[in-house]
Amino acid sequence: KAGVTQTPRYLIKTRGQQVTLSCSPISGHRSVSWYQQTPGQGLQFLFEYFSETQRNKGNFPGRFSGRQFSNSRSEMNVSTLELGDSALYLCASSLEGSYNEQFFGPGTRLTVL
Amino acid sequence: EDQVTQSPEALRLQEGESSSLNCSYTVSGLRGLFWYRQDPGKGPEFLFTLYSAGEEKEKERLKATLTKKESFLHITAPKPEDSATYLCAVQVYGGATNKLIFGTGTLLAVQP
Repeated sequence: KAGVTQTPRYLIKTRGQQVTLSCSPISGHRSVSWYQQTPGQGLQFLFEYFSETQRNKGNFPGRFSGRQFSNSRSEMNVSTLELGDSALYLCASSLEGSYNEQFFGPGTRLTVL
Repeated sequence: EDQVTQSPEALRLQEGESSSLNCSYTVSGLRGLFWYRQDPGKGPEFLFTLYSAGEEKEKERLKATLTKKESFLHITAPKPEDSATYLCAVQVYGGATNKLIFGTGTLLAVQP
């Protein structure tokens, strides 16, 4: 059974640009959650999508947005990048959501210069 | 403000030396507590879910317990392959939304 995949694995952008990250969940999983991980703040919840609807949202500015497609694949977009957005962005999938038994992908390492 | 605190920040053990990691939380509307293991360069790996005080879960050398204010991850006779960062997270229900709050983790090093 294939795990959660994230593309790209590494990304370098400059301030002011925008970026789109992709996440393919485990087959059959309908919930996808996104997280930001930094050395200073640790793992922080961004949002959760379930059946193409954003079901839960963390405390991030509106520059961070996402969507989920009918095949459960999800994308996350960050507009007007800031230096502080440099981080490892992780997505996780689960069967029914509620954060139980989430399977994480390897992450996308975003560097903003 | 909802808060999750893990201690110690780092722990070094000799192989076979049992110990416990702590996760204390101050939240309203606790829905569940989760333990994860994260190896360098990888995403977290799910270990346990605990829902109510008094609940215990075990897996190989790991045992997780939950009280009303904290959770412990007990590691019995650890091996070098247990070296990793251990994260706890709390699911908080607030109005119409659920969110997950992570602690900053305990970096465990087990020496042979």
